[in-house]
Amino acid sequence: DTGVSQDPRHKITKRGQNVTFRCDPISEHNRLYWYRQTLGQGPEFLTYFQNEAQLEKSRLLSDRFSAERPKGSFSTLEIQRTEQGDSAMYLCASSPRDTVDYGYTFGSGTRLTVV
Amino acid sequence: AQSVTQPDIHITVSEGASLELRCNYSYGATPYLFWYVQSPGQGLQLLLKYFSGDTLVQGIKGFEAEFKRSQSSFNLRKPSVHWSDAAEYFCAVEEGTGGFKTIFGAGTRLFVKA
Repeated sequence: DTGVSQDPRHKITKRGQNVTFRCDPISEHNRLYWYRQTLGQGPEFLTYFQNEAQLEKSRLLSDRFSAERPKGSFSTLEIQRTEQGDSAMYLCASSPRDTVDYGYTFGSGTRLTVV
Repeated sequence: AQSVTQPDIHITVSEGASLELRCNYSYGATPYLFWYVQSPGQGLQLLLKYFSGDTLVQGIKGFEAEFKRSQSSFNLRKPSVHWSDAAEYFCAVEEGTGGFKTIFGAGTRLFVKA
């Protein structure tokens, strides 16, 4: 068990470019979450997968954002036509089932800077 | 809608002193509550959680928290702070409507002085 891995750790991109982040959850965890954290704020929920099914999406997730979890293993978060307001830390978390029992295990995040 | 308020943006305590970080929540039903810690450049680590039973819960690293329904509070405490406790602390409430998403407070940054 190597924890939740996120790649890359840092990404600098020009406005208007597309970016894709990857998250590898703990292997036996069937639930996977994406959160966004801006400076001075707590994480904000973006989306949630149970196995390969995307069960919930936040209104924060505009149509420029898309997330997938093929085969219920790793997940990708893509941002199209990036804007400066997309600059943030993108956190992935996983849990085996109900977070009531286990809480989340978070990855170290991907810090996105849009210039 | 559920919400979490952490009234203190930052707190400074001396090493060895006691610590209390405040958290107030807004939620209609019995909440599921969490405290997480985030060190610089790191992801969040779960310190402790409450969902039922004893209102005083013990966590890792010597932390504890007390759930007080009458005050809608879930304050985090530690009797003696170590320099390594300097970090950002987040209180969170589970939105137990089947969506299983967690609402986080804005965080309290803890500074520890020698």
